[in-house]
Amino acid sequence: EAGVTQSPTHLIKTRGQQATLRCSPISGHTSVYWYQQALGLGLQFLLWYDEGEERNRGNFPPRFSGRQFPNYSSELNVNALELEDSALYLCASSLATGTFGYGYTFGSGTRLTVV
Amino acid sequence: SQQGEEDPQALSIQEGENATMNCSYKTSINNLQWYRQNSGRGLVHLILIRSNEREKHSGRLRVTLDTSKKSSSLLITASRAADTASYFCATLYGGGNKLTFGTGTQLKVEL
Repeated sequence: EAGVTQSPTHLIKTRGQQATLRCSPISGHTSVYWYQQALGLGLQFLLWYDEGEERNRGNFPPRFSGRQFPNYSSELNVNALELEDSALYLCASSLATGTFGYGYTFGSGTRLTVV
Repeated sequence: SQQGEEDPQALSIQEGENATMNCSYKTSINNLQWYRQNSGRGLVHLILIRSNEREKHSGRLRVTLDTSKKSSSLLITASRAADTASYFCATLYGGGNKLTFGTGTQLKVEL
């Protein structure tokens, strides 16, 4: 069974540009989550998509946006890039929501560097 | 903001020794999970313990949960060099499905 795949692995952008990161969840998983892991800041929750809808959003500015496609894959867009957006962006997927929850399966991440 | 905090921040032990990491959290939870991360790569889910459970085992891993103290511990027995990684606790609380991660413990297992 294929795991969560993220592309690209590395991305270098110039300040002010836009970045698009992609994620394909495990087959059968409808929920996709995005996290930012910047140096010294730990894992910060960005976005949660389920069944094509944005279900929850972390404390990030509107220039961080995304969407989930009918096949449950997801895209994270970061507009007007700033130097502090440099981080490892992790995507995870899980089975449908529930009170007891399920463990997440993470991809290997996209390392975004803004210069 | 971080829901959980791990203690210690860093731990260095010899191969064969046991490693214990602790996690404290702030609000009532539905479940608590532990993840491992190797060298800035993706996280690997290790174990999930629900709020009505007190202890859980998986191979060399033992997790305890004390909801009255809002704390959990992860014990890795007979550690190996391959266990060298960062370990994070994560909590699921309230409505929705958002996992909130702690600050992590960096474990180094030396030969």
